[in-house]
Amino acid sequence: DAMVIQNPRYQVTQFGKPVTLSCSQTLNHNVMYWYQQKSSQAPKLLFHYYDKDFNNEADTPDNFQSRRPNTSFCFLDIRSPGLGDTAMYLCATSSLRGAKNIQYFGAGTRLSVL
Amino acid sequence: AQSVSQHNHHVILSEAASLELGCNYSYGGTVNLFWYVQYPGQHLQLLLKYFSGDPLVKGIKGFEAEFIKSKFSFNLRKPSVQWSDTAEYFCAVNAPNGQLTFGSGTQLTVLP
Repeated sequence: DAMVIQNPRYQVTQFGKPVTLSCSQTLNHNVMYWYQQKSSQAPKLLFHYYDKDFNNEADTPDNFQSRRPNTSFCFLDIRSPGLGDTAMYLCATSSLRGAKNIQYFGAGTRLSVL
Repeated sequence: AQSVSQHNHHVILSEAASLELGCNYSYGGTVNLFWYVQYPGQHLQLLLKYFSGDPLVKGIKGFEAEFIKSKFSFNLRKPSVQWSDTAEYFCAVNAPNGQLTFGSGTQLTVLP
């Protein structure tokens, strides 16, 4: 059974049209992460939540925002998508922060910006 | 900041061939090391991890990896691959701040 669920699996949006990607988890993990993975590149961390504590990576564009209304759900909002935001977006969870955490990934949302 | 290099972008093998995928990292301190696998259309799954102790770690599906600290390497191996091992493989490093850094991945294609 899927433990980290991302919706939708595929999303097409127009340049500049806001889009929201969803992630839910049944693991009751404290930490939730959002990664961006462009074609043939490594996943790149955008931000993460430790409980309600939001942690943004220094080079994450302001265009990317996130919400975590409760333990189970986390959303990625892209306010004005550009063509360069076409990518796979991965959600992951872990039970703790720190070096020994193991992250569990969802199947990803493939976003195309036209 | 740490970085991870996977030198082989695409590896093609016949069934029963032996596999070794290279992974090198750059980070001066204590690290924890992972290999993740992504089968076609599926999510990233943990294959194996190294935190401490025996530098030769065994994972699922017959995979193993060896941590060589002096070479900053954590290569993945399997003695005899199967068609079902066709997937993308990612090496990752977790620094003490908890940030997981991935390599760019190696696509493995196993021919039947």
